[in-house]
Amino acid sequence: GQQVMQIPQYQHVQEGEDFTTYCNSSTTLSNIQWYKQRPGGHPVFLIQLVKSGEVKKQKRLTFQFGEAKKNSSLHITATQTTDVGTYFCAEIQGAQKLVFGQGTRLTINP
Amino acid sequence: DTEVTQTPKHLVMGMTNKKSLKCEQHMGHRAMYWYKQKAKKPPELMFVYSYEKLSINESVPSRFSPECPNSSLLNLHLHALQPEDSALYLCASSQGRSSGEQFFGPGTRLTVL
Repeated sequence: GQQVMQIPQYQHVQEGEDFTTYCNSSTTLSNIQWYKQRPGGHPVFLIQLVKSGEVKKQKRLTFQFGEAKKNSSLHITATQTTDVGTYFCAEIQGAQKLVFGQGTRLTINP
Repeated sequence: DTEVTQTPKHLVMGMTNKKSLKCEQHMGHRAMYWYKQKAKKPPELMFVYSYEKLSINESVPSRFSPECPNSSLLNLHLHALQPEDSALYLCASSQGRSSGEQFFGPGTRLTVL
């Protein structure tokens, strides 16, 4: 199966600045999930998007699924030091195969 | 209990050793997974067990042998590993539906000498 492409690979921001990571696919995605992995930690599920054009919010985090279901984004407003980590998008292919994007590593200058 | 536990946390083994990684969940999940994660890379799926049966093997070398003794336990038996097999091995579980979040354990950091 195709792998979703995720950009940027790294992002360094000042605390309080916004942050966005993007996932793109050449084929239509059945769904997209987002995970966060803190340094030295394990992936933790954030959200799943299934519907075309879907937008979901969790406090300062906004998740979008493109109208064509070929792209998705995660936007964090006013970053805090607790947001540090690597953010992965992932698609479930077939029945249960979760395929991760390359991830965006976020570092924050306090 | 919404936790996936893994033991050991760290493991150092020689290329001739045999060792096992263990994973346990008590969430009633019917799907369990093994992933391998190298530094600064995303997790890569190795195996999927669904209702205690192996449903996906991502062409993993036979020196990795999974086992699912019951719906709560998942083992990964290791034998004759290579240094390039050094990585973080993550276990995960999910309800078993075709979609839905996966709950990851803290992982076992494996070093092969």
